[in-house]
Amino acid sequence: SQQGEEDPQALSIQEGENATMNCSYKTSINNLQWYRQNSGRGLVHLILIRSNEREKHSGRLRVTLDTSKKSSSLLITASRAADTASYFCAYAYSGAGSYQLTFGKGTKLSVIP
Amino acid sequence: NAGVTQTPKFRVLKTGQSMTLLCAQDMNHEYMYWYRQDPGMGLRLIHYSVGEGTTAKGEVPDGYNVSRLKKQNFLLGLESAAPSQTSVYFCASSGWTGSYEQYFGPGTRLTVT
Repeated sequence: SQQGEEDPQALSIQEGENATMNCSYKTSINNLQWYRQNSGRGLVHLILIRSNEREKHSGRLRVTLDTSKKSSSLLITASRAADTASYFCAYAYSGAGSYQLTFGKGTKLSVIP
Repeated sequence: NAGVTQTPKFRVLKTGQSMTLLCAQDMNHEYMYWYRQDPGMGLRLIHYSVGEGTTAKGEVPDGYNVSRLKKQNFLLGLESAAPSQTSVYFCASSGWTGSYEQYFGPGTRLTVT
């Protein structure tokens, strides 16, 4: 399987703290995306970073990509209780169509009010 | 604009029964996907379609069939359900954009007894 890994599997923090989750993958990619899944719901796209980019911001989200280490991290700053969800990275491998994504196993984030 | 819808939301089947899951999107997207989500496994791609009348196998296609007779619909069939197919099934779609971000339906929770 080409499925990558995310760590930690679960993360519990206090409201207002920052949350960092990591994703590793196995071969060259075209882009890497992060999705959020609230309990019992479908996934929602958060942010995309292309293979030639190193860092990207969107609101309270900051994503980094290190292609030499085949890893990415998602930072959520000043977390809120509403950020409680599972977060998944997903990547499009080079050579496959960029439309085809491989998802990681996810990090379950709990933000305690 | 409903996005991606899935029917049914819940279903219980007995081993050996058949059923069809329906996915519909109103965003005129070219690409559609069926995933299954199991605890600790993240999302795994079952089948996908790059356009009306075309389908292709994903990572875990065995025991499933699909059809895309109309651009807006993508059907997932289970011909003879097995307990191993107990899962949550998600449909997604994506369009001709630079990012191919995927839009997900709310999911179908299937239990096979």
